[in-house]
Amino acid sequence: EVQLVESGGGLVQPGRSLRLSCAASGFTFDDYAMHWVRQAPGKGLEWVSGISWNSGSIGYADSVKGRFTISRDNAKNSLYLQMNSLRAEDTALYYCAKDIKFGGTTWGAFDIWGQGTMVTVSS
Amino acid sequence: QSVLTQPPSASGTPGQRVTISCSGSSSNIGSNTVNWYQQLPGTAPKLLIYSNNQRPSGVPDRFSGSKSGTSASLAISGLQSEDEADYYCAAWDDSLNVVVFGGGTKLTVL
Repeated sequence: EVQLVESGGGLVQPGRSLRLSCAASGFTFDDYAMHWVRQAPGKGLEWVSGISWNSGSIGYADSVKGRFTISRDNAKNSLYLQMNSLRAEDTALYYCAKDIKFGGTTWGAFDIWGQGTMVTVSS
Repeated sequence: QSVLTQPPSASGTPGQRVTISCSGSSSNIGSNTVNWYQQLPGTAPKLLIYSNNQRPSGVPDRFSGSKSGTSASLAISGLQSEDEADYYCAAWDDSLNVVVFGGGTKLTVL
């Protein structure tokens, strides 16, 4: 079964750091680009970051650029999001998502999603 | 304010055909393909349409997508109660260098 399972969310104070993980199974992880998408409570979807299959191409939303770092470990079938200098506006459900394109990146078409991990930034 | 503009709500009765619009600009929809997502209450988004009009395996052909210029549309025919959900369009933006989403449309089946 194709599956993505996020972990690492929780309650954190403003200015602190958190590292999210996404464990992939059921498909050849290193054949696909991966992304993080977030959704604030009661709000719409916001793309956070994406990384190509070989980490050669990486992108970030302006709202997180310079604070968040995406990475992947193909040997461990895992995707990560290091979040530093967290702000209240980073409070959201963070989804890990797989790009639909084999060996490339569509930068927008995500065919497999995890259930998300909640990040709450509050003092 | 989302880069892609969608109507906040839409509605229809069972069996009807409804369309949801997504308006953008030359830097996103005008030069890149459009994708559509369905998000049922309390669940993760699901890819409905990619590359403007392609359906992933398992998505019923009641769902269809189209694009013209800087706008795109999602059409749902034979509306069913289980189609009640939030729908989002998405595309790459060449100027912003990010994936942009529409604000979402809440579809109500009356």
